[in-house]
Amino acid sequence: GESVGLHLPTLSVQEGDNSIINCAYSNSASDYFIWYKQESGKGPQFIIDIRSNMDKRQGQRVTVLLNKTVKHLSLQIAATQPGDSAVYFCAENGAGGYNKLIFGAGTRLAVHP
Amino acid sequence: GAGVSQSPSNKVTEKGKDVELRCDPISGHTALYWYRQSLGQGLEFLIYFQGNSAPDKSGLPSDRFSAERTGGSVSTLTIQRTQQEDSAVYLCASSSPSGRANEQFFGPGTRLTVL
Repeated sequence: GESVGLHLPTLSVQEGDNSIINCAYSNSASDYFIWYKQESGKGPQFIIDIRSNMDKRQGQRVTVLLNKTVKHLSLQIAATQPGDSAVYFCAENGAGGYNKLIFGAGTRLAVHP
Repeated sequence: GAGVSQSPSNKVTEKGKDVELRCDPISGHTALYWYRQSLGQGLEFLIYFQGNSAPDKSGLPSDRFSAERTGGSVSTLTIQRTQQEDSAVYLCASSSPSGRANEQFFGPGTRLTVL
């Protein structure tokens, strides 16, 4: 596989700190949002999703917050670990139902020991 | 169980040649997607297959790009007369109608380099 995201915005955090990755989405018609994690040389991996009738959803060590008023999505990672180092993408479904996702440009998370 | 697989993992070709990229989705997944990821960029939707329905080709960047899905399973993305700007990682994903809405499972990608 290929390393991606060499010129992406980077968030650097210390191991054990909490991380917040932000995303501005584009389509007011979007009602479903997903966060994906992509490690170097691999395809994106589903982390967590949220529908527009919610403003917060929690998973294991991750929380997604949705602010429809300003079309903003965030991913919070608690107690960040070195294994969390990756590129994180938000995706929205636009007006195309649930099958055609629109991906953001991505943010690289670098976790330092 | 096996995930989505793609082949080849790397492909180097000369400008003007045709290439074929293959995707084997997860067994039983009715939906299959192709995306392109250029260096430092997000994923660009190319094409979507769902069962026996006509594919959504709205993301294909030019008529040099085409894709087929045979028997509702394996898919091939073909790029004719490749150009240097076609260099990217091509990702395939599949999803199941019984899973979370649109939880797409991605393959590792094919890195295409056009010289």
